[in-house]
Amino acid sequence: NAGVTQTPKFRVLKTGQSMTLLCAQDMNHEYMYWYRQDPGMGLRLIHYSVGEGTTAKGEVPDGYNVSRLKKQNFLLGLESAAPSQTSVYFCASSFTALVIGANVLTFGAGSRLTVL
Amino acid sequence: KNEVEQSPQNLTAQEGEFITINCSYSVGISALHWLQQHPGGGIVSLFMLSSGKKKHGRLIATINIQEKHSSLHITASHPRDSAVYICAVRWYSARQLTFGSGTQLTVLP
Repeated sequence: NAGVTQTPKFRVLKTGQSMTLLCAQDMNHEYMYWYRQDPGMGLRLIHYSVGEGTTAKGEVPDGYNVSRLKKQNFLLGLESAAPSQTSVYFCASSFTALVIGANVLTFGAGSRLTVL
Repeated sequence: KNEVEQSPQNLTAQEGEFITINCSYSVGISALHWLQQHPGGGIVSLFMLSSGKKKHGRLIATINIQEKHSSLHITASHPRDSAVYICAVRWYSARQLTFGSGTQLTVLP
């Protein structure tokens, strides 16, 4: 029962370095999301995907890129890290758009990124 | 800008007390979610509501669409309920969720 798995859990980067966060889900969910969580603020959507091969921008997409080459994986990339990207990143997934029925988000455990 | 406001930001209670956390939003929604974030950081969905009331164990969530307000109640609170409780809404015009900043609940033994 892995659910949603994020790697790595912690990472320290220097300004300008690049890295990729991996999100993997084993629930056959169509929708996947990347959020960032900053102190005193609600979770903010970076990018999301409504299916394999598709991605879309969320509320705060600048400085990030994503890819969904396989249905179960959603990658978040930072091409040139900046201190403003220091945050906790959460991946989540769901079967469909969060509109009807008992459909809920399943979250990963989070990845804490520090950019020096 | 569409907003989600939670109150209080911080809440400390004694074990056994009845807890209420509030969520207000600015315009019409199609669904509202309550989430729990554990001290270790993990986030778990508690409820999704579009009307009325839902109950799961000691947790009760209500929503008043006309007043644009939802409450999360915890009966007979316990220290293990200590967590951040997050409200999130899906606006009619949006595909995704907008999250509140959370309510930090601490239940003392």
